[in-house]
Amino acid sequence: KAGVTQTPRYLIKTRGQQVTLSCSPISGHRSVSWYQQTPGQGLQFLFEYFSETQRNKGNFPGRFSGRQFSNSRSEMNVSTLELGDSALYLCASSFSLGVRWDEQFFGPGTRLTVL
Amino acid sequence: AQSVTQLGSHVSVSEGALVLLRCNYSSSVPPYLFWYVQYPNQGLQLLLKYTSAATLVKGINGFEAEFKKSETSFHLTKPSAHMSDAAEYFCAVSAGTASKLTFGTGTRLQVML
Repeated sequence: KAGVTQTPRYLIKTRGQQVTLSCSPISGHRSVSWYQQTPGQGLQFLFEYFSETQRNKGNFPGRFSGRQFSNSRSEMNVSTLELGDSALYLCASSFSLGVRWDEQFFGPGTRLTVL
Repeated sequence: AQSVTQLGSHVSVSEGALVLLRCNYSSSVPPYLFWYVQYPNQGLQLLLKYTSAATLVKGINGFEAEFKKSETSFHLTKPSAHMSDAAEYFCAVSAGTASKLTFGTGTRLQVML
Protein backbone atom coordinates (compact mmCIF):
# COMPACT_ATOMS: atom_id res chain seq x y z
CA LYS A 1 0.00 0.00 0.00
CA ALA A 2 1.45 3.36 -0.96
CA GLY A 3 2.12 5.82 1.83
CA VAL A 4 1.15 9.44 2.17
CA THR A 5 2.60 11.51 -0.63
CA GLN A 6 3.23 15.23 -0.60
CA THR A 7 4.12 17.49 -3.48
CA PRO A 8 6.27 19.33 -4.03
CA ARG A 9 9.00 18.25 -1.65
CA TYR A 10 10.76 21.60 -1.76
CA LEU A 11 9.56 25.11 -2.51
CA ILE A 12 11.21 28.50 -2.51
CA LYS A 13 9.00 31.57 -2.51
CA THR A 14 9.40 35.26 -1.78
CA ARG A 15 7.51 37.35 0.74
CA GLY A 16 4.04 38.33 -0.33
CA GLN A 17 3.55 35.40 -2.69
CA GLN A 18 1.12 32.58 -2.11
CA VAL A 19 1.72 28.85 -2.18
CA THR A 20 -0.32 25.66 -2.50
CA LEU A 21 0.83 22.35 -1.10
CA SER A 22 -0.70 19.01 -1.97
CA CYS A 23 -1.23 15.82 -0.02
CA SER A 24 -2.50 12.43 -1.15
CA PRO A 25 -3.51 10.20 1.76
CA ILE A 26 -3.19 6.46 1.99
CA SER A 27 -5.87 4.75 -0.04
CA GLY A 28 -9.00 4.35 2.05
CA HIS A 29 -8.06 7.01 4.56
CA ARG A 30 -10.58 9.80 4.80
CA SER A 31 -9.04 12.06 7.43
CA VAL A 32 -6.19 14.39 6.53
CA SER A 33 -4.39 16.65 8.96
CA TRP A 34 -1.72 19.26 8.41
CA TYR A 35 1.10 20.24 10.75
CA GLN A 36 3.76 22.92 10.63
CA GLN A 37 7.21 22.08 11.95
CA THR A 38 9.73 24.81 12.76
CA PRO A 39 12.85 24.81 14.96
CA GLY A 40 11.36 27.47 17.21
CA GLN A 41 7.76 26.32 17.61
CA GLY A 42 8.13 22.60 16.99
CA LEU A 43 5.21 20.65 15.57
CA GLN A 44 1.95 22.55 15.52
CA PHE A 45 -1.44 21.42 14.32
CA LEU A 46 -2.88 23.46 11.46
CA PHE A 47 -6.16 21.82 10.54
CA GLU A 48 -7.95 18.55 9.87
CA TYR A 49 -10.30 17.58 7.09
CA PHE A 50 -12.73 14.72 6.86
CA SER A 51 -15.25 14.13 4.10
CA GLU A 52 -14.36 17.44 2.47
CA THR A 53 -15.15 19.40 5.65
CA GLN A 54 -12.77 21.12 8.02
CA ARG A 55 -13.30 19.48 11.40
CA ASN A 56 -10.59 21.04 13.54
CA LYS A 57 -8.42 24.10 13.25
CA GLY A 58 -5.28 25.13 15.06
CA ASN A 59 -4.26 28.59 16.13
CA PHE A 60 -3.02 30.00 12.84
CA PRO A 61 -4.00 33.18 11.01
CA GLY A 62 -6.53 33.17 8.21
CA ARG A 63 -3.72 33.27 5.65
CA PHE A 64 -3.53 29.53 6.16
CA SER A 65 -6.36 27.65 4.55
CA GLY A 66 -7.05 24.24 3.15
CA ARG A 67 -9.52 22.04 1.44
CA GLN A 68 -10.22 18.41 0.77
CA PHE A 69 -11.52 16.84 -2.38
CA SER A 70 -13.96 13.99 -2.83
CA ASN A 71 -11.09 11.53 -3.32
CA SER A 72 -9.71 12.63 0.09
CA ARG A 73 -6.73 14.42 -1.43
CA SER A 74 -6.04 17.68 0.34
CA GLU A 75 -4.39 20.98 -0.39
CA MET A 76 -3.29 23.74 1.90
CA ASN A 77 -2.74 27.29 0.83
CA VAL A 78 -0.74 30.05 2.43
CA SER A 79 -1.33 33.55 1.13
CA THR A 80 0.82 36.65 1.56
CA LEU A 81 3.82 34.66 2.66
CA GLU A 82 5.96 35.90 5.53
CA LEU A 83 9.51 34.93 6.44
CA GLY A 84 8.18 33.12 9.49
CA ASP A 85 6.19 30.76 7.29
CA SER A 86 9.40 28.97 6.37
CA ALA A 87 8.88 25.49 7.73
CA LEU A 88 8.39 21.83 7.01
CA TYR A 89 4.72 21.20 6.36
CA LEU A 90 3.62 17.70 7.18
CA CYS A 91 0.47 15.98 6.09
CA ALA A 92 -0.93 13.00 7.97
CA SER A 93 -3.77 10.68 7.12
CA SER A 94 -5.86 8.32 9.22
CA PHE A 95 -8.79 6.07 8.53
CA SER A 96 -11.38 7.68 10.74
CA LEU A 97 -12.39 10.82 12.52
CA GLY A 98 -12.75 11.14 16.25
CA VAL A 99 -10.99 7.90 17.18
CA ARG A 100 -8.29 9.07 19.54
CA TRP A 101 -6.15 5.97 19.29
CA ASP A 102 -6.24 5.83 15.51
CA GLU A 103 -2.74 5.98 14.06
CA GLN A 104 -1.82 8.89 11.86
CA PHE A 105 0.50 8.16 8.96
CA PHE A 106 2.76 11.04 8.00
CA GLY A 107 4.09 12.03 4.63
CA PRO A 108 7.68 13.17 4.04
CA GLY A 109 6.69 16.81 4.16
CA THR A 110 7.10 19.86 1.97
CA ARG A 111 10.02 22.12 2.87
CA LEU A 112 8.93 25.73 2.26
CA THR A 113 11.53 28.48 2.27
CA VAL A 114 10.38 32.08 2.13
CA LEU A 115 12.98 34.63 1.06
CA ALA B 1 -6.24 20.68 27.66
CA GLN B 2 -3.42 18.27 26.95
CA SER B 3 0.34 18.80 26.82
CA VAL B 4 3.56 16.82 26.88
CA THR B 5 6.99 17.72 28.17
CA GLN B 6 10.10 16.02 26.89
CA LEU B 7 13.05 16.38 29.23
CA GLY B 8 16.32 16.80 27.41
CA SER B 9 16.49 18.19 23.90
CA HIS B 10 19.62 16.15 23.22
CA VAL B 11 20.57 12.72 24.51
CA SER B 12 23.84 11.02 23.68
CA VAL B 13 24.52 7.32 24.30
CA SER B 14 27.15 4.82 23.26
CA GLU B 15 26.26 2.04 20.87
CA GLY B 16 24.98 -0.90 22.93
CA ALA B 17 23.96 1.28 25.88
CA LEU B 18 20.47 1.76 27.27
CA VAL B 19 18.34 4.43 25.62
CA LEU B 20 15.98 6.38 27.89
CA LEU B 21 13.95 9.27 26.49
CA ARG B 22 11.66 11.01 28.94
CA CYS B 23 8.10 12.19 28.40
CA ASN B 24 5.64 13.56 30.92
CA TYR B 25 2.08 14.38 30.01
CA SER B 26 -0.75 16.50 31.27
CA SER B 27 -4.27 15.63 30.32
CA SER B 28 -7.73 16.46 31.63
CA VAL B 29 -9.05 13.16 30.24
CA PRO B 30 -7.52 9.68 30.06
CA PRO B 31 -4.70 10.15 27.59
CA TYR B 32 -3.74 8.35 24.45
CA LEU B 33 0.01 8.66 24.04
CA PHE B 34 2.31 8.15 21.10
CA TRP B 35 6.01 8.09 20.34
CA TYR B 36 7.12 9.04 16.84
CA VAL B 37 10.59 9.03 15.28
CA GLN B 38 11.79 11.40 12.59
CA TYR B 39 14.88 10.73 10.49
CA PRO B 40 16.52 13.61 8.61
CA ASN B 41 14.45 14.96 5.73
CA GLN B 42 11.65 12.54 6.44
CA GLY B 43 8.21 12.59 8.00
CA LEU B 44 7.22 11.01 11.29
CA GLN B 45 7.01 7.28 11.85
CA LEU B 46 5.01 5.79 14.69
CA LEU B 47 7.10 3.77 17.13
CA LEU B 48 4.36 2.81 19.56
CA LYS B 49 1.14 4.00 21.16
CA TYR B 50 -0.62 3.67 24.49
CA THR B 51 -4.34 3.12 24.29
CA SER B 52 -5.04 1.89 27.86
CA ALA B 53 -4.97 -1.81 26.93
CA ALA B 54 -1.60 -2.42 28.65
CA THR B 55 0.74 -0.17 30.58
CA LEU B 56 3.88 -1.64 28.98
CA VAL B 57 3.79 -1.04 25.26
CA LYS B 58 6.16 -2.67 22.82
CA GLY B 59 6.89 -0.97 19.54
CA ILE B 60 9.01 -1.34 16.47
CA ASN B 61 12.80 -1.54 16.33
CA GLY B 62 13.06 -2.87 19.90
CA PHE B 63 11.59 0.19 21.59
CA GLU B 64 9.10 0.04 24.43
CA ALA B 65 7.42 2.51 26.77
CA GLU B 66 5.69 2.21 30.11
CA PHE B 67 2.65 4.25 31.04
CA LYS B 68 2.79 5.35 34.69
CA LYS B 69 -0.30 7.21 35.72
CA SER B 70 1.00 8.07 39.19
CA GLU B 71 4.02 9.79 37.62
CA THR B 72 2.17 11.06 34.52
CA SER B 73 5.01 9.63 32.49
CA PHE B 74 5.46 7.66 29.30
CA HIS B 75 9.21 7.21 28.93
CA LEU B 76 10.68 5.49 25.88
CA THR B 77 13.40 2.87 26.33
CA LYS B 78 15.53 0.51 24.30
CA PRO B 79 17.94 -1.92 25.98
CA SER B 80 20.75 -1.56 23.44
CA ALA B 81 21.26 1.43 21.17
CA HIS B 82 22.22 0.99 17.54
CA MET B 83 23.74 3.56 15.24
CA SER B 84 20.58 3.49 13.14
CA ASP B 85 18.58 4.79 16.14
CA ALA B 86 20.10 8.24 15.74
CA ALA B 87 17.12 10.47 14.99
CA GLU B 88 14.68 12.87 16.62
CA TYR B 89 11.97 11.43 18.82
CA PHE B 90 8.65 13.04 19.61
CA CYS B 91 6.17 12.21 22.31
CA ALA B 92 2.56 13.17 21.56
CA VAL B 93 -0.84 13.11 23.22
CA SER B 94 -4.15 13.08 21.44
CA ALA B 95 -6.54 15.90 22.08
CA GLY B 96 -10.24 15.89 21.25
CA THR B 97 -9.69 13.61 18.31
CA ALA B 98 -6.75 11.44 17.37
CA SER B 99 -6.14 13.68 14.42
CA LYS B 100 -5.19 16.59 16.65
CA LEU B 101 -1.94 15.50 18.20
CA THR B 102 -0.11 17.73 20.64
CA PHE B 103 3.61 17.11 20.36
CA GLY B 104 6.49 17.60 22.72
CA THR B 105 9.49 19.62 21.63
CA GLY B 106 11.43 16.53 20.62
CA THR B 107 14.62 14.81 21.76
CA ARG B 108 17.51 14.34 19.40
CA LEU B 109 19.25 11.03 20.06
CA GLN B 110 22.91 10.72 19.16
CA VAL B 111 24.54 7.27 19.19
CA MET B 112 28.30 7.13 19.46
CA LEU B 113 30.67 4.34 18.58
